[in-house]
Amino acid sequence: EAQVTQNPRYLITVTGKKLTVTCSQNMNHEYMSWYRQDPGLGLRQIYYSMNVEVTDKGDVPEGYKVSRKEKRNFPLILESPSPNQTSLYFCASSLSRVIYNEQFFGPGTRLTVL
Amino acid sequence: ELKVEQNPLFLSMQEGKNYTIYCNYSTTSDRLYWYRQDPGKSLESLFVLLSNGAVKQEGRLMASLDTKARLSTLHITAAVHDLSATYFCAVGGGSQGNLIFGKGTKLSVKP
Repeated sequence: EAQVTQNPRYLITVTGKKLTVTCSQNMNHEYMSWYRQDPGLGLRQIYYSMNVEVTDKGDVPEGYKVSRKEKRNFPLILESPSPNQTSLYFCASSLSRVIYNEQFFGPGTRLTVL
Repeated sequence: ELKVEQNPLFLSMQEGKNYTIYCNYSTTSDRLYWYRQDPGKSLESLFVLLSNGAVKQEGRLMASLDTKARLSTLHITAAVHDLSATYFCAVGGGSQGNLIFGKGTKLSVKP
């Protein structure tokens, strides 16, 4: 089944403890992206990747890192999480590097930083 | 800087009625997307609009794009309860790859 998977789905952690949220897609998509969703703010793009080894900042990249060593995986890294990073995170992918087509979203990861 | 505004943010409708959600954006873009999100769920792609005058329809939903007015509309015809969800528009930004979302329109369809 074609899908975008994220792990973990739920995570409660403490300030400063490094964490990684994994994202994987099995559709051979070139483009992948991370978003955070907060009440009243909608979705905001954190980072995106047009292809392997190509990443770029979205609107809210501060406090986050990403890497794209393989086409299928696009992990989101929080080196030192803070409470303002408590949010619902979505990974998404689409076929083309030009993204003139639909994005497929993962199920979401709900992160709480205490 | 690209900004995307959706109106209204909340919409309560009765079944059988028609309504339109508006998505305005501030700078030139060549792609616009509509998504649906059910409570506690992920986002589902509804429409991709790529050119001025583009119109797409799926069931009771119809989306259109006017690039000159920087406006997209999502029209709901004869609403049913199953359409209750939050609808987002998203616009491609100036550089390739980034996407700016509106804040979403929470639609509630009541019998």
